[in-house]
Amino acid sequence: QKEVEQNSGPLSVPEGAIASLNCTYSDRGSQSFFWYRQYSGKSPELIMFIYSNGDKEDGRFTAQLNKASQYVSLLIRDSQPSDSATYLCAVTGYSTLTFGKGTMLLVSP
Amino acid sequence: GAVVSQHPSWVICKSGTSVKIECRSLDFQATTMFWYRQFPKQSLMLMATSNEGSKATYEQGVEKDKFLINHASLTLSTLTVTSAHPEDSSFYICSATPDTFSNQPQHFGDGTRLSIL
Repeated sequence: QKEVEQNSGPLSVPEGAIASLNCTYSDRGSQSFFWYRQYSGKSPELIMFIYSNGDKEDGRFTAQLNKASQYVSLLIRDSQPSDSATYLCAVTGYSTLTFGKGTMLLVSP
Repeated sequence: GAVVSQHPSWVICKSGTSVKIECRSLDFQATTMFWYRQFPKQSLMLMATSNEGSKATYEQGVEKDKFLINHASLTLSTLTVTSAHPEDSSFYICSATPDTFSNQPQHFGDGTRLSIL
């Protein structure tokens, strides 16, 4: 059974701080890794995707992948109250996506 | 970016009614579409994988006769909840990807909130 684990949170950070969201996965054959943001009552929105070991930066977001440790993370710099949402980690090995349960992030003004 | 449209956004209906939800990829052809269900404060659960021109693949525990999926074209998949009951009330979300066998991410529709009275 493929599993994707995330701390449910909530992770509380003050405005302007760096938020660090973590995810581990069980399937060593996983090839693609995605971070989605989901606001309450809304559908998921793609934030970042990463395929290779290392860091990938896009604006205030940085995704980090370590396949040896089966670990992927998302860093949000200069966190804003509008970043408050649930962040879903999703993993696939060229088939269906397996989602984690998500980490709730709360950014306080 | 890739756009997936889902309709309707909200459905409230009586028990025993059948409800059809449409999912359209607006700016790309989607060989494969996915249907998810999400209960409050829970994660997305994949219900089925919809392949254009062939039968859908259902996840374990999902009743194929209850949740009818049709993917008649490369831009449209439909989910019909037949004889819906209150326990079917949930948030149903579709997603699509331009290429099933690549790294392309899935793009989600806005979801359909289904309430069965």
